[in-house]
Amino acid sequence: DAGVIQSPRHEVTEMGQEVTLRCKPISGHDYLFWYRQTMMRGLELLIYFNNNVPIDDSGMPEDRFSAKMPNASFSTLKIQPSEPRDSAVYFCASSSRSSGTTYNEQFFGPGTRLTVL
Amino acid sequence: GQQLNQSPQSMFIQEGEDVSMNCTSSSIFNTWLWYKQEPGEGPVLLIALYKAGELTSNGRLTAQFGITRKDSFLNISASIPSDVGIYFCAGFYSGAGSYQLTFGKGTKLSVIP
Repeated sequence: DAGVIQSPRHEVTEMGQEVTLRCKPISGHDYLFWYRQTMMRGLELLIYFNNNVPIDDSGMPEDRFSAKMPNASFSTLKIQPSEPRDSAVYFCASSSRSSGTTYNEQFFGPGTRLTVL
Repeated sequence: GQQLNQSPQSMFIQEGEDVSMNCTSSSIFNTWLWYKQEPGEGPVLLIALYKAGELTSNGRLTAQFGITRKDSFLNISASIPSDVGIYFCAGFYSGAGSYQLTFGKGTKLSVIP
């Protein structure tokens, strides 16, 4: 299995530009998570999907951020317009269905390092 | 929201030494997790703890789920250079329609050969 695939691995853009990050989860996983990692705030959950439906987007910082999952094998995180404070590493993770209160391991992708100038 | 306090923030140790790090929370979790992140990669799960008081080992790693369900520690014995990385604790809670995985800020481990 190829694991969670993210693209691009690095993105450098200028303030005000639109940025789109992409994720392909592990086949068969029905949960998908987007995280942001910064030195100051650590790893933060932005949004997660179950069966392609957004369940909790309370971690999305503001309206400039949006995420979609048009099918079980693809998700995007878009920032429009981007700002320097959005610079961070963005991770996508996927997991199989949790049963009750049991945690099912989340498998993380390698991340996209975003720099907004 | 829930917050995890992870300590220490960083450690420099000699190869062969034992390492200990811990996490505390103001809230109860169903599950405690320990992840390791290497440069340029995403976090990888090392150990998952499912019951209060549980003590689990994975090779040279040992972790415990605190009795109060609000804390956990991770020990690494006889450290080696490949142990270098950032170690994260995470608390998982699921119930009443809620699914939460909260991460600590991480402990950066450096091993001096």
